[in-house]
Amino acid sequence: NAGVTQTPKFQVLKTGQSMTLQCAQDMNHNSMYWYRQDPGMGLRLIYYSASEGTTDKGEVPNGYNVSRLNKREFSLRLESAAPSQTSVYFCASRWGVSQYFGPGTRLLVL
Amino acid sequence: GEDVEQSLFLSVREGDSSVINCTYTDSSSTYLYWYKQEPGAGLQLLTYIFSNMDMKQDQRLTVLLNKKDKHLSLRIADTQTGDSAIYFCALNTGNQFYFGTGTSLTVIP
Repeated sequence: NAGVTQTPKFQVLKTGQSMTLQCAQDMNHNSMYWYRQDPGMGLRLIYYSASEGTTDKGEVPNGYNVSRLNKREFSLRLESAAPSQTSVYFCASRWGVSQYFGPGTRLLVL
Repeated sequence: GEDVEQSLFLSVREGDSSVINCTYTDSSSTYLYWYKQEPGAGLQLLTYIFSNMDMKQDQRLTVLLNKKDKHLSLRIADTQTGDSAIYFCALNTGNQFYFGTGTSLTVIP
C-alpha cells in the first residue's frame, strides 16, 4: 500500500494563479482532511470530508475549495492564490481514532 | 475551537529522558495524540491515549494525562539522536482534530 499520496511535492505560483492539490489514499478510509502548516502555528484544518460526497469547513477555509471525487481522492483548489497561502499543505485520511498523513505539498506564492 | 499550547524548543543529551508538555482548553476531547514529524516529512502517529486514562506506556514512550489541569505530556526514555524531530500533540473532538504548535526536540550526542 502506498498509504496517502500527494501531488505535486513543490509548487511556485504567482499571485492570482489557480491550482489544485491532489490527494489520494489506498486504505479504503472514509474520512479525509486537508491541513496547512505554518511556522509556530502547528497544523490548521482547512476542510474535511467525513465520507464520500460530503465536505465541511474547518478552521481556515477562506480562499480554498475542495472536492471529494470518490472514496480515494480529495482535492484542494486555490482559485486565486495569495502570498498568505504560502505554506506546507498536508492531506490525511482517518481510520478509527487515527489519522495517516501524506508527505505534504510545499507551496510558494509570489 | 480548541487552543493547544506547547513550548517551541527542547534540547536534551543522548541517553537522558525527554519530557514534552502540552496544555489545552477544551475538556470534551475523546482522544489525545502525539505525532512526530521529521524534516521534510508528514506527521507520523506515535501514540494516543483515551480521555478516561491517566497513563499509557509503549516501549520508550510514556504518556501522562492530567484532565483536571488539562495537561498532556510525552516522556521519551533513553533519548537517541534519531528522536530529533518536531513533536505535536493533538486532540480529537468529533470529526475534527486540533494540533499544538509543535515542540522541536534536539538531541545532543
